[in-house]
This record gives sequence, C-alpha cells and structure tokens, in this order.
Amino acid sequence: EAGVTQFPSHSVIEKGQTVTLRCDPISGHDNLYWYRRVMGKEIKFLLHFVKESKQDESGMPNNRFLAERTGGTYSTLKVQPAELEDSGVYFCASSQVNRGSYEQYFGPGTRLTVT
Amino acid sequence: AQSVTQPDIHITVSEGASLELRCNYSYGATPYLFWYVQSPGQGLQLLLKYFSGDTLVQGIKGFEAEFKRSQSSFNLRKPSVHWSDAAEYFCAVGARSGGSNYKLTFGKGTLLTVNP
Repeated sequence: EAGVTQFPSHSVIEKGQTVTLRCDPISGHDNLYWYRRVMGKEIKFLLHFVKESKQDESGMPNNRFLAERTGGTYSTLKVQPAELEDSGVYFCASSQVNRGSYEQYFGPGTRLTVT
Repeated sequence: AQSVTQPDIHITVSEGASLELRCNYSYGATPYLFWYVQSPGQGLQLLLKYFSGDTLVQGIKGFEAEFKRSQSSFNLRKPSVHWSDAAEYFCAVGARSGGSNYKLTFGKGTLLTVNP
C-alpha cells in the first residue's frame, strides 16, 4: 500500500509569487489534513477535509491560502501571493473514517522557501 | 485551548543507554495522546498512542509511554537506545475536528542525538 505522497518535495519562490502544493492521500482515506511547521516552531494544524468537504479550516492563517480537494481524492494547497513568513514545511496526513484507530499517516512534507 | 510542552529541545545519549523524553499537555477533556518520530527526509511516523485503558502504552521499535493524569504527562521511554533512533520526536494531543475525527496539536519536538 502506497503511503501519503506530497509534491514537490522542495519549492523555492520569490515573495509575491504563487505556489501550489499537492498531496495524494492513502487510497480510500476519507480524511485529509494539512499541517505546517514554521522554522523553530511547532507543527500546526491548518485544515481538515472529509472527502471533498472542508470540515475544519480554523488553522488557515489568512485568505492567501486556498485548499481544495476536488473529487475527494488528492488535495492542493495554493499560496497566493506568497510572503516570507509562509516559509516552512507543509505536511499532509490522511486517515480512514471508520476504523476507530484515528491514526493519521503523514507524508514527507514539502519544504517551501520564500525569498 | 489544548497545548503540548516538550521541555527538552535537544537530548544526547550514548548508544545502549536508557531514554526518557518528556511531554506535558493541557487539555480540558480526556486527552488522546500520541508520539510521532521523524527521521531525516521522512514523514512523521506514529510510535504509539493513548486513547483509554491501560496507562502504560507499548509502541513500535521498543518504545513505551506512560499516561499520568495527575501530572498531565505522557513521557516516552526506551530502555536501550540504538543509533537508528536518532531523529526528532513529537508529542501530540488530539482534539475533535468534526464528527469523530481529530486534529493534532504538537509540541515543538525533541531532537535526539545518539553517540556511538
């Protein structure tokens, strides 16, 4: 079984540009989460999808961030326009709804550097 | 709001020595607690979790953790560390995020260095 994959692994962009991060969850997982770790800080929750619906987006920092999950499969996280403080590692995780274990499986992350 | 404190940013131990990583949490209800590990270039891997029941939880790779409600702690332990255990360790508490699903609140992590 393939794990959670994220693309790209690393992105370097200039302030003001747009970047789109992609996450492919484990096949069949209805729950998809985005987290972010800014350098020196803890990993923070951004949002949670159940299938294609946003269940909780309380952690999204501002309206420059747009997450989508069309069709309930892969998800994208777009940052437009990017600011310096958006630099960090963006993690995606997925879990299955009805297993009861609630384990979230994490991808390797996308390291975003805004210069 | 929930929070997690990992007081040790960096710990160095010798191979074969015992290990204890500290974690304290703040949460208004019964906590769901987790320990994750991240090796370089890898995603976060779940070591163990506590939902209810026995307060001593066994995990993968020989790790265990003990939930102590009175101390709001969930410390991670291993009796004998291997060089491959060098990684960053994260403690997390789960809070409801719609239905029966949970979002995680993490501590800042503890970086473990293992000396030969």
